[in-house]
Amino acid sequence: DAGITQSPRYKITETGRQVTLMCHQTWSHSYMFWYRQDLGHGLRLIYYSAAADITDKGEVPDGYVVSRSKTENFPLTLESATRSQTSVYFCASKLDDALGYGYTFGSGTRLTVV
Amino acid sequence: GDSVTQMEGPVTLSEEAFLTINCTYTATGYPSLFWYVQYPGEGLQLLLKATKADDKGSNKGFEATYRKETTSFHLEKGSVQVSDSAVYFCALSLTSGTYKYIFGTGTRLKVLA
Repeated sequence: DAGITQSPRYKITETGRQVTLMCHQTWSHSYMFWYRQDLGHGLRLIYYSAAADITDKGEVPDGYVVSRSKTENFPLTLESATRSQTSVYFCASKLDDALGYGYTFGSGTRLTVV
Repeated sequence: GDSVTQMEGPVTLSEEAFLTINCTYTATGYPSLFWYVQYPGEGLQLLLKATKADDKGSNKGFEATYRKETTSFHLEKGSVQVSDSAVYFCALSLTSGTYKYIFGTGTRLKVLA
């Protein structure tokens, strides 16, 4: 079934390790986003992308790297994981920049950094 | 700056009770407004939306009206069910060529049988 697939669903990693969270969408939506969800903060935008090879920083980009070589994939890499990056990460996509379009979210990746 | 403020939860109701979750916003221009719902262990799902003042969004018995004069977009449902237990997020989509959302912090709803 078409949609947004995030992998892995759960990940435990050690401080200092590099970890990559995957996001794949099947609609060819132009826009893709990475959010982190933390208690008391709601959803905070990490990075977003308007199209292949176009990415930009969101509200909390430090410690993260993204790439988008293909429209359907938008991986998020933690270069050197820290405990403060323990969170639930959501990938989302959006058809275009028309205001009335909502996001479609993936099911999330729960990342624990020990 | 632009922001969304939601009432703090958790909100606990008995089945068939009336639900209101308050949401107010601050934004320049004329944003679109959204309510998203997150069930346990899942991502957010779009529940309803309104793109201009006085529009009413509705879905699955939920309603919200875009009130420009009070900068509000309160979520209501006449009779909640246990299956409505979830976290509800209010969000706005900014004008001026951006496509980023601003989300509220979410309100947890628990409905008791």
